[in-house]
Amino acid sequence: DSGVTQTPKHLITATGQRVTLRCSPRSGDLSVYWYQQSLDQGLQFLIQYYNGEERAKGNILERFSAQQFPDLHSELNLSSLELGDSALYFCASSVEEGLAGAPTDTQYFGPGTRLTVL
Amino acid sequence: EDQVTQSPEALRLQEGESSSLNCSYTVSGLRGLFWYRQDPGKGPEFLFTLYSAGEEKEKERLKATLTKKESFLHITAPKPEDSATYLCAVQGRGQNFVFGPGTRLSVLP
Repeated sequence: DSGVTQTPKHLITATGQRVTLRCSPRSGDLSVYWYQQSLDQGLQFLIQYYNGEERAKGNILERFSAQQFPDLHSELNLSSLELGDSALYFCASSVEEGLAGAPTDTQYFGPGTRLTVL
Repeated sequence: EDQVTQSPEALRLQEGESSSLNCSYTVSGLRGLFWYRQDPGKGPEFLFTLYSAGEEKEKERLKATLTKKESFLHITAPKPEDSATYLCAVQGRGQNFVFGPGTRLSVLP
């Protein structure tokens, strides 16, 4: 158990809908990362937040957005869902931000949310 | 564009048969290279971070090494519980994390 929690574990919805995935980082971790893992694309980095602020952006679609709240939990919002959005969505957390010039920090992954879009 | 490739795609070993997994990368300003293991349906589990060429790290039966273009994950005398997918990832100057497709390792008793 990494200490990172994600809810829900499974989510089934229809095309065009909007869903919210939730992540609680390990106690004391300030950084949260979101990833998408599908069979054909592998693990794709979406976005990173540090202490409430966006720090790095990867291959995140405009239909997707995220935020980190003052209690450090994070939410990933997926809207106008398409069949291709079906995937495992992972959240990870780390202590540090990974500031430029400093060694980047170890990430601890949650168990994931499996999203199925029908 | 940062890129990571891994080979082989799949590897089947007998228990006790040592081998190596390869991770080749191109990145602008390497800040870190990571190795994870992932069991089916679960989140990746952190193994190692390497920061600069020549660095080596060990943990039980695993040893990770790094050069300027590739990293190796050496598995010595593997056991069936080492069966998993091993993922390599890099973080470059742009702070984006790029993962490779992984190597599926099966260790047969």
